[in-house]
Amino acid sequence: DQQVKQNSPSLSVQEGRISILNCDYTNSMFDYFLWYKKYPAEGPTFLISISSIKDKNEDGRFTVFLNKSAKHLSLHIVPSQPGDSAVYFCAASAQGAQKLVFGQGTRLTINP
Amino acid sequence: NAGVTQTPKFRILKIGQSMTLQCTQDMNHNYMYWYRQDPGMGLKLIYYSVGAGITDKGEVPNGYNVSRSTTEDFPLRLELAAPSQTSVYFCASSPGQGRLTQHFGDGTRLSIL
Repeated sequence: DQQVKQNSPSLSVQEGRISILNCDYTNSMFDYFLWYKKYPAEGPTFLISISSIKDKNEDGRFTVFLNKSAKHLSLHIVPSQPGDSAVYFCAASAQGAQKLVFGQGTRLTINP
Repeated sequence: NAGVTQTPKFRILKIGQSMTLQCTQDMNHNYMYWYRQDPGMGLKLIYYSVGAGITDKGEVPNGYNVSRSTTEDFPLRLELAAPSQTSVYFCASSPGQGRLTQHFGDGTRLSIL
C-alpha cells in the first residue's frame, strides 16, 4: 500500500510561472512532512518541511501547504527557474518515528 | 565537509555474486539508512540503524544484510545477487533526537546481469 502518493509523474512549467507539486497521504499518524529535490546522478537534497501543527511554511521561493483534513500537501515554487528542473519527492514521518516514507516523485521541467 | 559518502558509484554483478556497498558519514549522526530506488518509484527503506550495534529492518529487507560497528560506517551486504536487486541504492543519515531531516549520499547504481 502506497501511504504517500504523488499522482503526477511529471510537470512542465514555463520559466517565471508558478510550479505546484502535489502529494497525498493515507496514514493519519503522519505528523511531519518534507520535500526533497533530486538532480540526476545525485542524492536527494532536503528542500523544505512542515509540521502538522502548521498549515503553511515558507522559505524564499518555496512554500509548502498542508491540508490535514484532506491529507494533502503541496509545494509551490514561484517564480520557477531553470535550475528548479529536477525530481521532487514528498516524504512523511509518523509520530516519534525517525523513518521517512517517500512518494514516487514528480519530475519538474522548467521551460525557458 | 564530505557529508555522506557512498562507494562504489557504479557496479555490475553477475547473478549469484555477493558484494558490499559502503557508506560513511562524518556528521556524527546517530541514525543511518539504506534505501533503494527503482525506476519511476520512490525510495524504499531497506534497513536502518539508530546507533552503533543496533540495526532494524525496513520495508524491503529480503536479500540484504547490514552491520553498524561504528557511528560513521553502515555497509550494506548483498548475498547471492539477483536481477530484482538491480537498482540505485542510497545511504542517508540523520541526527536523531527528533530531528528528521535526512542527508543523502549520491548513490550506488547496481546492475545484476
